[in-house]
Order: sequence, then structure tokens, then C-alpha cells
Amino acid sequence: QLQLQQSGPGLVKPSETLSLTCSVSGDSMISDVYWWGWIRQPPGKGLEWIGSFSSSGITYHNPSLKSRLAVSADTSENQFSLKVNSVTAADTAVYYCARHVYFPGYFDYWGQGALVTVSS
Amino acid sequence: QSVLTQPPSVSGAPGQRVTISCTGSRSNIGAGYDVNWYQQIPGKGPKVLIYASSNRPSGVPDRFSGSKSGTSASLAITGLQAEDEAHYYCQSFDTRVSESEVFGGGTRLTVL
Repeated sequence: QLQLQQSGPGLVKPSETLSLTCSVSGDSMISDVYWWGWIRQPPGKGLEWIGSFSSSGITYHNPSLKSRLAVSADTSENQFSLKVNSVTAADTAVYYCARHVYFPGYFDYWGQGALVTVSS
Repeated sequence: QSVLTQPPSVSGAPGQRVTISCTGSRSNIGAGYDVNWYQQIPGKGPKVLIYASSNRPSGVPDRFSGSKSGTSASLAITGLQAEDEAHYYCQSFDTRVSESEVFGGGTRLTVL
């Protein structure tokens, strides 16, 4: 059974960098079928796709976030990371990592979610 | 504003049938891209209910079904149960601005 476990600070100061890691267990991240992605959900609001990448290094980002975004993977550790720089209160959200079946495609396994609050 | 438009809320009595619409445009659903549906119970993460417009993952009851036509898609739930009370989101792919996965704004289903 695939599991995605998220970790990272729950509080980030404005203008600093938000960093989250997603550890994958139960299967290898290396695949021709599966991509890996990040989605966020501001409190009381809907879902917003952040970005997705393949194990071969192809990456797609939400254009509204692209300039502040960095997604990386360590396939030897079977984990991937998200960094969002220059954060503001608008970046306060529950962040989810997920397995992305094909691109474009759907998200079949999700992490537990991590609330990140941007506040001084 | 979401690229995919869903009604903010729908409701139905136990046992009834409800549908949730997801309206897009020629740059997403109308371009032939699949629609996926997720259920999010309050306080929990999303769970995929329907993928590729009409397919159910194993373990999802056949009370849930999806369809797509033109620039819209629908999720139908028959035999409504109290446990179906949740938020539902559609998701597709859009090429108007950039190649992006996009979500609808979500629909809150209330079981009366």
C-alpha cells in the first residue's frame, strides 16, 4: 500500500521560504506512469494545483506560482520537496503531496496534509 | 474564480439522486481532456471518486458515476447516504494560459 508522509514547519514568516518534504513508502518513485505533485487548500477554500513532476525530470507548475516555486526529488531517498519563496499570508494553506497518475491525469494517493501558516 | 465552475451547494434526502455539474470551456473539458472527481470529508484529505470522466477506482461504490459531454461534466450520486455529506471537486487540464491541472471551486453536498 502506497503511503505519502509529509513533514515541514507549520509556521513561516512573511517573505521567507516555505519548505515541505513528502516521503514515499510502499513503491519506488521511479516510474513511466506515475508523476508526483503538490496541491494546496487555503482555509475554508477549494483545492489549487501547485505543480507536478516526473521521475525523468519533466516539471509543470501553476503559472500563478511558477516564479516562486521549486520542486525537487531525491529518488534514492524516495522523497520529494516543495519550496515556495517570498511567502505572504495568501500562501497560508493546507499543503498536500500526491501521486499523479500520468500528466495530465488524476491524483490517486494523497499525503495527510500539512497546515502551513504564514505569520510573523 | 475557478476555470471549472461548480454549484456551491446541492442537497438531497437519503435515498435520493443528486448530480453535481462541472462547467468548463474549449480550453479544458471541451478540448477532450478527462475530468476527475474527488470527495473531501470535512477535516480529511481528498479521495478520488471518478477518474477519466467515468471510471471508478476499486472500492468506490457504484452509487457514484461520472459523465462528460461537450464542455461540461457531471457527477451523479444515487441512493444518497448520510456519509456522502462532503465537498466534491472536479479536476481537469487546461491549456488557455499554460498547461495546468485545474480544480473546480467545489460543491458542498448536504444530506437532509
